[in-house]
Amino acid sequence: SAVISQKPSRDICQRGTSLTIQCQVDSQVTMMFWYRQQPGQSLTLIATANQGSEATYESGFVIDKFPISRPNLTFSTLTVSNMSPEDSSIYLCSVEFQVPPIVYGYTFGSGTRLTVV
Amino acid sequence: RKEVEQDPGPFNVPEGATVAFNCTYSNSASQSFFWYRQDCRKEPKLLMSVYSSGNEDGRFTAQLNRASQYISLLIRDSKLSDSATYLCVVKTPNDYKLSFGAGTTVTVRA
Repeated sequence: SAVISQKPSRDICQRGTSLTIQCQVDSQVTMMFWYRQQPGQSLTLIATANQGSEATYESGFVIDKFPISRPNLTFSTLTVSNMSPEDSSIYLCSVEFQVPPIVYGYTFGSGTRLTVV
Repeated sequence: RKEVEQDPGPFNVPEGATVAFNCTYSNSASQSFFWYRQDCRKEPKLLMSVYSSGNEDGRFTAQLNRASQYISLLIRDSKLSDSATYLCVVKTPNDYKLSFGAGTTVTVRA
């Protein structure tokens, strides 16, 4: 399966500021996924990042708040903009690993634990 | 109704015990099913993909019941290291999105 390097692993940020999270994959992947996991809850998909096109956002998430870059097939960033305490959460990136046509599962980055104060 | 529902637990079991729990899904067209393990403050890690009627990997057995739209995970001979939250994950066909259950917490005690 792919190996993902995600950073930062954690940060404490002031409200109103922005944080950019990076994910680097050790192989080329078509789609990268960004999730949020709020305390005590499961994962919620924020958006899907495809190389060379605009990210696709899920209901409740907008590009102005969570801009995403996908400059190549191994890298993506998610920015959490104009942060408020409600943005305190764990943010994870993920990629699919497969030997076509079988999808074996999904690999996750180690997560970014964000606290907004 | 949530797309994927799990018994949150917690399941507190002694070492060596067998523990089993279910996950139900709402979309009958779902084709791919996974169990992930998530340790506290860590990312989810794939435990098992669930194929056809089910499969076994060491002490772990996953079963799929399409008629009733549920999958189960059974852990035999529980170890202290099995303590974690187990996430049920479902993927619908022709869709890259995953639906996550809220997780079932298992605590194995000495």
